[in-house]
Amino acid sequence: AQSVTQLDSQVPVFEEAPVELRCNYSSSVSVYLFWYVQYPNQGLQLLLKYLSGSTLVKGINGFEAEFNKSQTSFHLRKPSVHISDTAEYFCAVSPSNFGNEKLTFGTGTRLTIIP
Amino acid sequence: EAGVAQSPRYKIIEKRQSVAFWCNPISGHATLYWYQQILGQGPKLLIQFQNNGVVDDSQLPKDRFSAERLKGVDSTLKIQPAKLEDSAVYLCASSFFGARAEAFFGQGTRLTVV
Repeated sequence: AQSVTQLDSQVPVFEEAPVELRCNYSSSVSVYLFWYVQYPNQGLQLLLKYLSGSTLVKGINGFEAEFNKSQTSFHLRKPSVHISDTAEYFCAVSPSNFGNEKLTFGTGTRLTIIP
Repeated sequence: EAGVAQSPRYKIIEKRQSVAFWCNPISGHATLYWYQQILGQGPKLLIQFQNNGVVDDSQLPKDRFSAERLKGVDSTLKIQPAKLEDSAVYLCASSFFGARAEAFFGQGTRLTVV
């Protein structure tokens, strides 16, 4: 079984400042890692994903994340945030063995951008 | 390309009543998921279909929840009878078959049980 821990439930950040949203996971098998964003009253949208290869993954809207296997982490970063980044962010894992691709989500981090 | 369609967007029912949610996945997506997202929590997988067969329903409360995907396209999730703790957003997602396939989510149905 897999589990995901998002250490911060809420993160306030000033506009144009950098941000890091933390995610740690636990799994007995190899996993794929994901970050999703959820705007108010919307479904989830994929920001980026790590399947294999380079541990630094770049996604949409200027976000990037780094997979650290030794620390079982997949933290999300953005060098300069905008008001439009205000949303809920979810980290998720999925077993990488073929045919078992269900996602296990963390509890989410609410990112609030302060003008 | 059309996204995942869900209806209704909002539903308010009294406890012990029944309710049904509908999902139309992206055309060609063999895999369909139903997730339950309780306020303040991440989505939790309820059931996963591969075409019209169930792959995983281990977290579906089968005494009150049921789901079907006839003909491997549209899907319906039903709750009967509803409890107060069923208040949540029910998200449908779909993907092509395979562990590397990206899941696309609908906007969800917000259920309030009073």
